[in-house]
Amino acid sequence: GNSVTQMEGPVTLSEEAFLTINCTYTATGYPSLFWYVQYPGEGLQLLLKATKADDKGSNKGFEATYRKETTSFHLEKGSVQVSDSAVYFCAVGGSNYKLTFGKGTLLTVNP
Amino acid sequence: NAGVMQNPRHLVRRRGQEARLRCSPMKGHSHVYWYRQLPEEGLKFMVYLQKENIIDESGMPKERFSAEFPKEGPSILRIQQVVRGDSAAYFCASSRDSESNQPQHFGDGTRLSIL
Repeated sequence: GNSVTQMEGPVTLSEEAFLTINCTYTATGYPSLFWYVQYPGEGLQLLLKATKADDKGSNKGFEATYRKETTSFHLEKGSVQVSDSAVYFCAVGGSNYKLTFGKGTLLTVNP
Repeated sequence: NAGVMQNPRHLVRRRGQEARLRCSPMKGHSHVYWYRQLPEEGLKFMVYLQKENIIDESGMPKERFSAEFPKEGPSILRIQQVVRGDSAAYFCASSRDSESNQPQHFGDGTRLSIL
């Protein structure tokens, strides 16, 4: 089956710092890749997605590029804000409908 | 709010009781998925339903757990004779179809606590 390995947290940054959260996956076929964000006490919100190799997903200053050769989908943001503090989940959607999630990375951004 | 609606947000049960979790998908979505999130873990797939049909329940425990999505009304995840290990956050998601590139939209979850 599919699997996702993402960088373990917690990650603590100062405001305006650069963020990278690593994510690698194993999957058969041609999966779609997703990053979801979960704010405290809330459900998951789709942050960005990429559906084929070399696609770049982007939203709210976050970016991730689908790298098939390295089976990676690392999340980046050039300048984080306090409001970005949340748990970030990398997920892979295979040829079926099941999403397979990583364990999540807690990001805390300090003013 | 046209998003995925789950209720209750919090549910407390004693061991041996039944828990019923409800999920109304987004408008226009006929595919529903249930996931379970244990503390400090990612979400694990439990079951996938379309209206009146269970398509895949491979992630759901064989005993005590059941799910339905009737023609009218919300999807229900039912846990009978709850045990401490059932304490978790249960999330429902919906999508327009089941293609892998279609994002699943999640509700805010039901946090189940077993005393």
